[in-house]
Amino acid sequence: QLQVQESGPGLVKPSETLSLACTVSGGSISSGYYCWGWIRQPPGKGLEWIGTIYFSGSTYYNPSLKSRVSISVDTSKNQFSLRLSSVTAADTAVYYCARHLYSVRDAFDIWGQGTMVTVSS
Amino acid sequence: QSALTQPASVSGSPGQSITISCTGTSSDVGGYNYVSWYQQHPGKAPKLMIYDVSHRPSGVSNRFSGSKSGNTASLTISGLQTEDEADYYCNSYTSSSTLIFGGGTKLAVL
Repeated sequence: QLQVQESGPGLVKPSETLSLACTVSGGSISSGYYCWGWIRQPPGKGLEWIGTIYFSGSTYYNPSLKSRVSISVDTSKNQFSLRLSSVTAADTAVYYCARHLYSVRDAFDIWGQGTMVTVSS
Repeated sequence: QSALTQPASVSGSPGQSITISCTGTSSDVGGYNYVSWYQQHPGKAPKLMIYDVSHRPSGVSNRFSGSKSGNTASLTISGLQTEDEADYYCNSYTSSSTLIFGGGTKLAVL
């Protein structure tokens, strides 16, 4: 049973870079059948897609975040990672990693439990 | 990109049916059959309920069904149960090769 799990600091200072990792277990991130994404949810608000990566390294980003976001994959660790630069309080959210069914067009069928990241000095 | 439009809340009694709408444009909902629906209970991760407009993943009750007409997708829950009380989000692929979520709908089972 494939699972994904987020990890990283729960507190980030304003203007710094938020870095999270998502570890895939029970399967290989290198499988050509899937791609992997990040979604966030500010407290009391809705879901926002951040971006998606294929194991080949091809990426797709939310236009509203594109200038600050980078998603990468590390096949040796069976992980993919999120970096969000120049964070502000507006970036405070629960961050989820998830697997797409097949491609970036497709639904997210497996989700991590989420990790809360607070931006504060 | 603006969020897809969902009603903020809907309600129903146990045993009834409800429908949640998700309105977009011809560049997203209307242009592709890549609409999905997620159920989220408080403090939990979202759960996929419907993908590709009307397909149910294995393990999801057949009380949940999806459809689309023009730029509006819909999620229908029949035979409402108390455990269906949750937030529901739609999601669509867009012509810009991005994804967009709806604002979410809170379902109350009264």
